[in-house]
Amino acid sequence: DTGVSQNPRHKITKRGQNVTFRCDPISEHNRLYWYRQTLGQGPEFLTYFQNEAQLEKSRLLSDRFSAERPKGSFSTLEIQRTEQGDSAMYLCASSPRDSGQETQYFGPGTRLLVL
Amino acid sequence: AQTVTQSQPEMSVQEAETVTLSCTYDTSENNYYLFWYKQPPSRQMILVIRQEAYKQQNATENRFSVNFQKAAKSFSLKISDSQLGDTAMYFCAFMTRAGGTSYGKLTFGQGTILTVHP
Repeated sequence: DTGVSQNPRHKITKRGQNVTFRCDPISEHNRLYWYRQTLGQGPEFLTYFQNEAQLEKSRLLSDRFSAERPKGSFSTLEIQRTEQGDSAMYLCASSPRDSGQETQYFGPGTRLLVL
Repeated sequence: AQTVTQSQPEMSVQEAETVTLSCTYDTSENNYYLFWYKQPPSRQMILVIRQEAYKQQNATENRFSVNFQKAAKSFSLKISDSQLGDTAMYFCAFMTRAGGTSYGKLTFGQGTILTVHP
C-alpha cells in the first residue's frame, strides 16, 4: 500500500495559463476526492468520484475547473486560464469501497502559485 | 449546510502534559461522522480519530481521546502525554452518513496549530 500520490508537488505558473494536476489513489479505493486548501485554513471540498462517475461538485468549482477520472483509477484536475486567486494547495484523497469508506486518506498535495 | 468551528487558532503544551482542542459544529442531520485530522508541517494530513454520532461511547486511540457531546454539538480532542511529534495543525471535520445530503465530502474547521514544547 503505497498511499495516495500527487504530481507535481509544486507548480508555478503565470496568470492565464492552464495547469493540470494528477492524483493516484490507493489501489482499489473506489472513491476519490479533491479539496483546496489556502494558507492557514482548512481544506474545502471541490468534487468527488465514485469509480469514474463524478458524483458531486462544489460551487467553488467554477467553469474554469474540470476534473476527470476516466478509468476509475487516477484522476486529473485541470484549471484553465489561471487567476492569482487559484493559488492554493490542492489535495487529493481516496477511500475504500466498503467498510471504512468514511475514512479518507490524503495525498501530499500539489501547491500551486499563480504569478 | 454543515459548519465546523474551531475557536482556538493556536495552542501550546509542554511535553508529557495533556491538552484539549475544541470543536463545535452545526448540522440538522442526525447521523454523521466526526473526525480529527493532523497535518504536520509540510507533511500530509493523517487521520487521528473518528467518532460515529450514533455511538454514545467516546472514541479513543492510544493517547488520543474525544469528548463527544451530541446535544451540545461539541467534539473536543484530548491528547495525553504530549510528544514533540504531536506538533501539527489539527483539523476537526464532519461528514454525514450514507444517504445524507453531504455524504462523501468532509467539512473542515479552520484548524488549531498545536505546538509541543520540550
